[in-house]
Amino acid sequence: EPEVTQTPSHQVTQMGQEVILRCVPISNHLYFYWYRQILGQKVEFLVSFYNNEISEKSEIFDDQFSVERPDGSNFTLKIRSTKLEDSAMYFCASREDRRNSPLHFGNGTRLTVT
Amino acid sequence: GEDVEQSLFLSVREGDSSVINCTYTDSSSTYLYWYKQEPGAGLQLLTYIFSNMDMKQDQRLTVLLNKKDKHLSLRIADTQTGDSAIYFCAESKVNRDDKIIFGKGTRLHILP
Repeated sequence: EPEVTQTPSHQVTQMGQEVILRCVPISNHLYFYWYRQILGQKVEFLVSFYNNEISEKSEIFDDQFSVERPDGSNFTLKIRSTKLEDSAMYFCASREDRRNSPLHFGNGTRLTVT
Repeated sequence: GEDVEQSLFLSVREGDSSVINCTYTDSSSTYLYWYKQEPGAGLQLLTYIFSNMDMKQDQRLTVLLNKKDKHLSLRIADTQTGDSAIYFCAESKVNRDDKIIFGKGTRLHILP
């Protein structure tokens, strides 16, 4: 069964550094999402992306965050200058371009900012 | 507004049925989902139901929806040790076909 893949599975970075989290959505999916889960807390929406542009973003998704679909297969989340509070599990998700289609999530990237 | 509430913990003996409950506040037509998260793993879609349905069954899983009370439940029959995980209830709107909103998750603990 096709799946969403995320790399790396764990990323450690120093405060102030830039990080790029990578995702390969399921190939026929057209809607893409990033969510995050701070340890022990709920899964929070960050941003959705469709037709090469952001369709919605949350208040968490400030100017330090950006997303890109650089080619036909990858979907990336960049954090320009990481803060300690950015430490979390980041999940990528995708879905088909039809009503009723559910979101399929990757296994996540655990980001640790030291 | 949009808010999904779940109890945080549930303990069940192996072989018994587990019932995980969820309430939501948005009365618009919506999809409701159950995701499973095992320790250190991602979010696995278990099942989902549209708000014009009352029930959906898939092997050991039964989803019941009470739209009037905005109450959703997930029943796992014959609970096994492999069912130990966090179960997230989530909802989305039909017309805003973008994000889904998650509850805080219910940690299911299986007693021997």
